[in-house]
Amino acid sequence: DQQVKQNSPSLSVQEGRISILNCDYTNSMFDYFLWYKKYPAEGPTFLISISSIKDKNEDGRFTVFLNKSAKHLSLHIVPSQPGDSAVYFCAASGDGANSKLTFGKGITLSVRP
Amino acid sequence: ETGVTQSPTHLIKTRGQQVTLRCSSQSGHNTVSWYQQALGQGPQFIFQYYREEENGRGNFPPRFSGLQFPNYSSELNVNALELDDSALYLCASSYMGVEQYFGPGTRLTVT
Repeated sequence: DQQVKQNSPSLSVQEGRISILNCDYTNSMFDYFLWYKKYPAEGPTFLISISSIKDKNEDGRFTVFLNKSAKHLSLHIVPSQPGDSAVYFCAASGDGANSKLTFGKGITLSVRP
Repeated sequence: ETGVTQSPTHLIKTRGQQVTLRCSSQSGHNTVSWYQQALGQGPQFIFQYYREEENGRGNFPPRFSGLQFPNYSSELNVNALELDDSALYLCASSYMGVEQYFGPGTRLTVT
């Protein structure tokens, strides 16, 4: 049973436009949500996180929105750049430091020049 | 500040053999987690080590085992390799935080 779902396997956007990556979860006990970016032949790189007590967190071009009632979060990238082309993973964590991460399957973002 | 490193980068083993993968945590991090990423899937939690003790385990059989050393580096050992063990093995380190920082991974191929 997949607790973190990224239902769209890929997304293609034009450079300069907004990229919106979606993620759904089923376990209401998750306390934190994270987004990672992964290039081929590299490990996942941490991008941004959000606590379950917040509904928005922003860091530069990246903003994560959390809708707890819908068990849905999204990552917005504005403006999108060709270097953003990568696989993006949504992950969820339980309460407390060093809790295990539960990942979705990932979504491949392609930003067209 | 040194990031998470893993060795080897690639490895080819035969079914039934044993393998050891190594990980050095990021400077100052005392917790190491191991994940398996099969093709087309997200990383799946294997286990975590904190201060040399196992601190949580995912749904993996006992032939997956690990160690953490006093310098917080870690090993992942897999016995009796099966074809389905072919995957990217990722190590992540952390220190009292939610965010985990990943190494580049070891690509294991079992033939």
